[in-house]
Amino acid sequence: EIVLTQSPVTLSLSPGERATLSCRASQSISSHLAWYQQKPGQAPRLLIYDASNRATGIPARFSGSGSGTDFTLTISSLEPEDFAVYYCHQRSSWPSITFGQGTRLEIK
Amino acid sequence: QVQLQESGPGLVKPSQTLSLTCAISGDSVKTNTVAWNWIRQSPSRGLEWLGRTCYRSKWYYDYAESVKSRITINPDASRNQFSLQLNSVTPEDTAMYYCARDMNYVVDYWGQGTPVTVSS
Repeated sequence: EIVLTQSPVTLSLSPGERATLSCRASQSISSHLAWYQQKPGQAPRLLIYDASNRATGIPARFSGSGSGTDFTLTISSLEPEDFAVYYCHQRSSWPSITFGQGTRLEIK
Repeated sequence: QVQLQESGPGLVKPSQTLSLTCAISGDSVKTNTVAWNWIRQSPSRGLEWLGRTCYRSKWYYDYAESVKSRITINPDASRNQFSLQLNSVTPEDTAMYYCARDMNYVVDYWGQGTPVTVSS
């Protein structure tokens, strides 16, 4: 099973700052990585797919990069509504898909 | 706009069967470019994919190894929905259960989730 490790576990930043979240795969997954945002009481929402493609309706301040085993989600300038938990997800080992354990982005 | 809605009992006794249904609107369970999934989330296990079904001239099924012996996913084209049955549940199966759509294994639409507690 491909394991995804996210870091940091918690990230404390202020609105307007830049956020950089990391996801590392236990083996190469090419660019088969997606990022999700989850707010309390809500289902996850797709932000980025195939490492760097923004999903429909996702603001341009969200960007993704990486390939192989190391991936990054960057939020260029944090808005108040961006404080949430972020998960990465790989589809390289289809049909079985796995998720990272999440990074909590909190207001400093 | 695709919308998914889970329904089913919120409390199941240990050793019994957990049964949930996902109603689909804005898409068809027989669309041959997508698949329909069950995913659960708990503090101890995080987000865990359980299984999927898809229609490609016939029905196909994939299940996670961790639940393969206990799980059944059934599509119902007449009602445009699909269901989850998980047998022999234990307290470890307590979680929020989501139905979700994937396209090429990227999960793009989720239901709002339904909480299930396994307890006597």
